[in-house]
Amino acid sequence: TQLLEQSPQFLSIQEGENLTVYCNSSSVFSSLQWYRQEPGEGPVLLVTVVTGGEVKKLKRLTFQFGDARKDSSLHITAAQPGDTGLYLCAGARDSNYQLIWGAGTKLIIKP
Amino acid sequence: EAGVAQSPRYKIIEKRQSVAFWCNPISGHATLYWYQQILGQGPKLLIQFQNNGVVDDSQLPKDRFSAERLKGVDSTLKIQPAKLEDSAVYLCASSLVTGGFNYGYTFGSGTRLTVV
Repeated sequence: TQLLEQSPQFLSIQEGENLTVYCNSSSVFSSLQWYRQEPGEGPVLLVTVVTGGEVKKLKRLTFQFGDARKDSSLHITAAQPGDTGLYLCAGARDSNYQLIWGAGTKLIIKP
Repeated sequence: EAGVAQSPRYKIIEKRQSVAFWCNPISGHATLYWYQQILGQGPKLLIQFQNNGVVDDSQLPKDRFSAERLKGVDSTLKIQPAKLEDSAVYLCASSLVTGGFNYGYTFGSGTRLTVV
């Protein structure tokens, strides 16, 4: 059972376009993290959101945690080829410090 | 600070052979994880250590996989004997947890295992 559903699974767009990827669950998380993974490397933490309704911005990336802490979104403005990668969301539910991982959204930005 | 170190980066073995992976976490990170990632999928937890004790190994195929974390620092993951379906990237991660909050994982670059 996939507790965190990411959509879309794959997205290919032109440089300069905007996009949003989603991370949804029926479970409540105490916090949610977004990672980006490039080919041949491990995932790299982008952001952690903790409070329901929280919005965090990282340059052209905007992360939002749902009010009920069950879902999250990542919006990229004016995408660039350097944004290409696998975007993973991961939710924390309890104090054993494990993360529940989504399957990822593979993003390709074409120049 | 130095990142999570993993070796080797690549390994090709024949089925039924054995293989071992090594991980050195970030200094001071008590929690260490081994993940298996199949191409195009999210990471799957194999085992979680807290210092040198196992917290969760429920998804570790114990008939062929083993892991240890000596002295609560470095860790090794072994597969013996390997099967074709073990072909994947094996990621090691460590995390700083304090006050009940996980500040995020730092991953190594992984070991890409190909079983032929």
